[in-house]
Amino acid sequence: AQTVTQSQPEMSVQEAETVTLSCTYDTSESDYYLFWYKQPPSRQMILVIRQEAYKQQNATENRFSVNFQKAAKSFSLKISDSQLGDAAMYFCAYHRAFNDMRFGAGTRLTVKP
Amino acid sequence: DVKVTQSSRYLVKRTGEKVFLECVQDMDHENMFWYRQDPGLGLRLIYFSYDVKMKEKGDIPEGYSVSREKKERFSLILESASTNQTSMYLCASSFIDPSNEQFFGPGTRLTVL
Repeated sequence: AQTVTQSQPEMSVQEAETVTLSCTYDTSESDYYLFWYKQPPSRQMILVIRQEAYKQQNATENRFSVNFQKAAKSFSLKISDSQLGDAAMYFCAYHRAFNDMRFGAGTRLTVKP
Repeated sequence: DVKVTQSSRYLVKRTGEKVFLECVQDMDHENMFWYRQDPGLGLRLIYFSYDVKMKEKGDIPEGYSVSREKKERFSLILESASTNQTSMYLCASSFIDPSNEQFFGPGTRLTVL
């Protein structure tokens, strides 16, 4: 079974600084999709950013960007200019097919004012 | 504005009771999912459905069943609730292609006494 590992259960960052959340995954497939989801306290989980494995270019969404290293099976999330509203649980997810999906255990991000 | 709604935010049941958790989406998504979220374990897939009346077991189906009689509605059933089923339950939906993000409901926090 494919696994997704988030090695940092908790992270903290000072407001306006940059933080990187780590994610590694295990797969023998070449075609798949990777996602970062954000779950704010008591609120619904939402998509942060998506990366297609066939694309070499790293995805970027405003202050959020990824470092996708396909050979290393690594997919880290960088949050620049951190804001108080970025405080949340962040989940890394691997999708290959509707019956082949995995989520990591999550990283709780605290943003200090 | 896309929406996935769940019938209850909080639920308290007794051991042995039959429990129904309902999920409704208004996005005409083919896929619907039920996850269980526990601290340190991330999201674990209980069941998913890719079409009406179709269902597939996820990673932890034991003790659960599901029903999908209409495309927009996906129900999770605990036939005889047990204390180890105390957890947060998340429903999600998506279009059938794995490149698509999942949209999540707000979650139901179930306590079994």
